[in-house]
Amino acid sequence: EVQLVESGGGLVQPGRSLKLSCAASGFTFSNYYMAWVRQAPKKGLEWVATISTSGSRTYYPDSVKGRFTISRDNAKSSLYLQMNSLKSEDTATYYCARHPGAITTPFDYWGQGVMVTVSS
Amino acid sequence: DTVLTQSPALAVSPGERVSISCRASEGVNSYMHWYQQKPGQQPKLLIYKASNLASGVPARFSGSGSGTDFTLTIDPVEADDTATYFCQQSWNDPRTFGGGTKLELK
Repeated sequence: EVQLVESGGGLVQPGRSLKLSCAASGFTFSNYYMAWVRQAPKKGLEWVATISTSGSRTYYPDSVKGRFTISRDNAKSSLYLQMNSLKSEDTATYYCARHPGAITTPFDYWGQGVMVTVSS
Repeated sequence: DTVLTQSPALAVSPGERVSISCRASEGVNSYMHWYQQKPGQQPKLLIYKASNLASGVPARFSGSGSGTDFTLTIDPVEADDTATYFCQQSWNDPRTFGGGTKLELK
């Protein structure tokens, strides 16, 4: 059974940093592109980042480019999201998600999500 | 960015057929996907590449469309289908989602 379990969320002040983790199990992690998707409270979904199987290629929307960094450790079947210079608009539930193929594919499995609140 | 427009809400009776639309501001080929999200849960993939049923999804769900206009159809609707449905495109950068359509049962 595919499982994605996020951790590392919490309350952080504007301008500070936070690192999220996602532990994957139930599939060969190194074979899949992975992603982070967020959802602000009572709002829609926003794609945040995608990383290739080896980690050599990363993709971001302009809203987080230069502030967020996605990375992975295939030996540990873990995905990460380093978030710097956090803003109030980054407040959201962050989901770890799997692409079944390359970046043009959808998100076929999602974690339960972890809440990040950016507030002073 | 490619804007995906969905109607905000729909109300139908169990046993009826419902169609949920998603219109893209520019062409996305067939790279449109649909998700179901129930309150307090993560999204679940229903349809990928416009018309392909994801694994384990009941055949009551179907998808159609190409280019800029896409439709998710549920026939017949069941009580458990109460949820918000999102479309998402993966053809243009950045990947974007629709605002969601909240489906309520009468």
